[in-house]
Amino acid sequence: RKEVEQDPGPFNVPEGATVAFNCTYSNSASQSFFWYRQDCRKEPKLLMSVYSSGNEDGRFTAQLNRASQYISLLIRDSKLSDSATYLCVVKGFGNQGGKLIFGQGTELSVKP
Amino acid sequence: DTEVTQTPKHLVMGMTNKKSLKCEQHMGHRAMYWYKQKAKKPPELMFVYSYEKLSINESVPSRFSPECPNSSLLNLHLHALQPEDSALYLCASSREGLASGNTIYFGEGSWLTVV
Repeated sequence: RKEVEQDPGPFNVPEGATVAFNCTYSNSASQSFFWYRQDCRKEPKLLMSVYSSGNEDGRFTAQLNRASQYISLLIRDSKLSDSATYLCVVKGFGNQGGKLIFGQGTELSVKP
Repeated sequence: DTEVTQTPKHLVMGMTNKKSLKCEQHMGHRAMYWYKQKAKKPPELMFVYSYEKLSINESVPSRFSPECPNSSLLNLHLHALQPEDSALYLCASSREGLASGNTIYFGEGSWLTVV
């Protein structure tokens, strides 16, 4: 089983749609969770950290369910500029605390 | 815009060449990282430096040799690479080192082609 698993995608949605990405992680002791966005041929950029209480940033909402080891990202009112690959990222702990563990990424394509 | 600067942006090298990738950050971050990313794949961790000491080496072949001259600089020395080493090499940094939840910031990457 992969340490971080994401929906395979690609997701093709019209502008204005709501889209949800799901992610599961295998290590119950993981402490830090993130969603990164990566545009084609660019570096990954932090979209948002994910907190236990859930958090929202404009059109983006992230949720964490520690009991189920499940992370989600909801994008409302999709824009063309949201087209990118979304990477679910879990940060190791202890001696592996410097290690970011990436999911395979889910490609999103927002169409006019 | 990223505050982690990588040079060169593009590098083509032969299998017998020796070259280096460079990374610099002036955010006062004490952890720096090298990742390798192949097309359509997520980044894979290669090395982590924490407070200028090598903390994690993900069993990377010795043809890749990291160096951290000071807290702002991270190099990746390349020697006798193989064509399958062609990839995007990403440098990253974070405020603290291991066992912290600090965000990791990536540079724009160096595109490496081995011919």
